[in-house]
Amino acid sequence: EVQLLESGGGLVQPGGSLRLSCAASGLTFNKYAISWVRQAPGKGLEWVSMISGNGENIYYADSVKGRFTVSRDNSKNTAYLQMNSLRAEDTAVYYCSKGRGLPDCWGQGTLVTVSS
Amino acid sequence: IVMTQTPLSSPVTLGQPASISCRSSESLVHSDGNTYLTWLHQRPGQPPRLLIYKISNRYSGVPDRFSGSGAGTDFTLKISRVEAEDVGVYYCTQATQFPITFGQGTRLEIK
Repeated sequence: EVQLLESGGGLVQPGGSLRLSCAASGLTFNKYAISWVRQAPGKGLEWVSMISGNGENIYYADSVKGRFTVSRDNSKNTAYLQMNSLRAEDTAVYYCSKGRGLPDCWGQGTLVTVSS
Repeated sequence: IVMTQTPLSSPVTLGQPASISCRSSESLVHSDGNTYLTWLHQRPGQPPRLLIYKISNRYSGVPDRFSGSGAGTDFTLKISRVEAEDVGVYYCTQATQFPITFGQGTRLEIK
């Protein structure tokens, strides 16, 4: 069974940093792109970033470009989202999902709260 | 690409059909010939789950009362007979072009 498990969320002050992890199991990890998608409280889904299976192709939403960095370690079956210069509007549940055109597996999400 | 869903809320009687429309601001036909239009369903407190991919392909385990159709910029998700477990929010999303974008979501509720 394919599983994704996010971790690393928490409470952080504005301007602070967090690194989220997305640990995968049950799949050939390096074959699949991983996307990060967030959902602010009571709001809809917002795509954040995607990294290709080999890590060579990376994309960001304009809202996080220059502040967030996506990466992956295929030897550890894990993807990461380094979030710097966090703002209140980054408060959300962050999900990782597998694939691009066929997002058939999602993690349970990790909550990031940016507040003083 | 802006994705616009209608309606934003849909009260439906159990056993009756439901339909959600999704319109994109540009064609979703990729240069590889595929149209990366996906439908997701999210129940409260749960992550989204995949229902339909590439317009009309039902994902494994999705009941056949769900169907997707459309082309180019206009797409529709239909539920032939709504069941209680179908409540929640439905999102269309496109992955043809970056940034990947989502519709606003349509909340399906039982009358």
